[in-house]
Amino acid sequence: AQSVAQPEDQVNVAEGNPLTVKCTYSVSGNPYLFWYVQYPNRGLQFLLKYITGDNLVKGSYGFEAEFNKSQTSFHLKKPSALVSDSALYFCAVRAGMDSNYQLIWGAGTKLIIKP
Amino acid sequence: DGGITQSPKYLFRKEGQNVTLSCEQNLNHDAMYWYRQDPGQGLRLIYYSQIVNDFQKGDIAEGYSVSREKKESFPLTVTSAQKNPTAFYLCASSYRVGDNQPQHFGDGTRLSIL
Repeated sequence: AQSVAQPEDQVNVAEGNPLTVKCTYSVSGNPYLFWYVQYPNRGLQFLLKYITGDNLVKGSYGFEAEFNKSQTSFHLKKPSALVSDSALYFCAVRAGMDSNYQLIWGAGTKLIIKP
Repeated sequence: DGGITQSPKYLFRKEGQNVTLSCEQNLNHDAMYWYRQDPGQGLRLIYYSQIVNDFQKGDIAEGYSVSREKKESFPLTVTSAQKNPTAFYLCASSYRVGDNQPQHFGDGTRLSIL
């Protein structure tokens, strides 16, 4: 079955420290992977994507993500966290043809950055 | 500025009532989507449309209906058959279904039962 897992419901990080939000996936074929951020009572904002090429992808607001094919992971990272990074983060993967190429979404990880 | 506009921001439904959520985009995208968001469950696809006058059921279409008469508009009706409609509803669009471009989202409509 095709799926996305975000194993942590919540991640707590002190301001200035590096942060990692984890995502693993299971999908047929080559994956298209996405990270989005959601602030309270707002829609999702696109952060970055991996389609092909370099395994390290850089995105908006200083975020980056590393694609690891052998571990089927696409963890979101940032070298130095800001309080304003506190939000809900979603990982998504494009499903294969048998699911009409729809996005499969993780359940989300709440990131809390403490001053 | 190009984007997606959802209205209203908050909506209340009485028992037995149908309500319609509006979604308009000016991004010239062919594909549009409706998602339902419940706490701790991520996004679940209700309906999607690849082109005008065409739409497909998603994973949780029961109790919902849509139309796509114009490229810019994709309204969602929550019918009285949807017994648990309280949720945050998100509309999104993209150039095409399944391509490598990200989906763009509106700011959602929060639906509650009176």
